[in-house]
Amino acid sequence: DVVLTQSPLSLPVTLGQPASISCRSSQSLVYSDGTTYLNWFQQRPGQSPRRLIYQVSSRDSGVPDRFSGSGSGTDFTLKISRVEAEDLGVYYCMQGTHWPQTFGQGTKLEIK
Amino acid sequence: QVQLVQSGLEVTKPGASVKVSCKASGYIFTSSGISWVRQAPGQGLEFMGWISPYTGDRNYVQKFQGRVTMTTDSYMTTAYLELRSLRSDDTAIYYCARAPGMATTLDYWGQGTLVTVSS
Repeated sequence: DVVLTQSPLSLPVTLGQPASISCRSSQSLVYSDGTTYLNWFQQRPGQSPRRLIYQVSSRDSGVPDRFSGSGSGTDFTLKISRVEAEDLGVYYCMQGTHWPQTFGQGTKLEIK
Repeated sequence: QVQLVQSGLEVTKPGASVKVSCKASGYIFTSSGISWVRQAPGQGLEFMGWISPYTGDRNYVQKFQGRVTMTTDSYMTTAYLELRSLRSDDTAIYYCARAPGMATTLDYWGQGTLVTVSS
């Protein structure tokens, strides 16, 4: 199975400052059709996961533009340009290129 | 709007079975697959498998093969997850999610169903 390794696992940030989460894959996530199926999810405390980003960098409707995704091949990043209090929670990357789908371990975003 | 509404809390004993439902609305049920993901207390997300309501095709993660059955009822626009021979480490929140393609992504999620396995 594809292993996704996120870092850091815990990310204390100051409100208004940027934050960045890395997701590294044990294999290339480029599918045979040329698409890279790398997703990012946010899980706020006590809530279901919510998709933020799909196909590396496409932002879901309603997701603030302070969230951005980038990367290629095996190396991906989620960036928050200016962290707000509502961004507290755990962030997961997930790959949909190889069966079975797998998630990273999660990164807990904490407000300093 | 797309909604996935799951059945409620389940408390059951080791060795028993549980069946969780996921009622879909706001889209054409047969146009997209459904996946199931679970989350043990304080842990991360674990993908369990995928089913197509259109074809009935299904794929299960090997870890769950032999203990899990995913089904759908297109008339009721509902997906089901059955897990058998339950153990204490099956205690988790079980989520259904809409899974376009063959689960290349999970774009909408249910609210989750807590399954507690305890003697």
